[in-house]
Amino acid sequence: GENVEQHPSTLSVQEGDSAVIKCTYSDSASNYFPWYKQELGKGPQLIIDIRSNVGEKKDQRIAVTLNKTAKHFSLHITETQPEDSAVYFCAASYGNDMRFGAGTRLTVKP
Amino acid sequence: DGGITQSPKYLFRKEGQNVTLSCEQNLNHDAMYWYRQDPGQGLRLIYYSQIVNDFQKGDIAEGYSVSREKKESFPLTVTSAQKNPTAFYLCASSMDSMRNQPQHFGDGTRLSIL
Repeated sequence: GENVEQHPSTLSVQEGDSAVIKCTYSDSASNYFPWYKQELGKGPQLIIDIRSNVGEKKDQRIAVTLNKTAKHFSLHITETQPEDSAVYFCAASYGNDMRFGAGTRLTVKP
Repeated sequence: DGGITQSPKYLFRKEGQNVTLSCEQNLNHDAMYWYRQDPGQGLRLIYYSQIVNDFQKGDIAEGYSVSREKKESFPLTVTSAQKNPTAFYLCASSMDSMRNQPQHFGDGTRLSIL
């Protein structure tokens, strides 16, 4: 089955800097890659997703890149703000099988 | 506003007791899911349901049971057979489970042992 690895587990950046979180997956059949943001005591919220026929997608300060050959995808957050502090999860999916990474705790210091 | 509602937010279980976690959605989604989240770990799938009156085991179904009698409801029972039930439980739904649709999550139920 699919296995998703996520790095780093914790990330601390200064406000205004960029943050990058990387994930690798093992199943080449995976074709849908969502990213979720989870705040303390809440459920994960979808922030951006990408499908396997696309290499990059942007939404304001957030971008995701996908390298299908290398089986890795990354989340890029530019101009970070304190409210970006949260746990971020990547996931890889094929059909009804969605596998999640272990999460990255991002701290943005003012 | 459409969404997923989980209740209660906090739940305590005594030894040998079964407890049921509620999950309701008004998004008209066909598929629903239950995940368990432990500190420092990703989400692990307990059960999922693609359609009313049908459900499948996920990776860690032992000690849990579900039902799907209505499209909008997917309750999870944590039975006494689950020896380590302390965790954060998340319910999710998606439009369907076969076309790689995003999953929408509720705000979870935190279960603890008394």
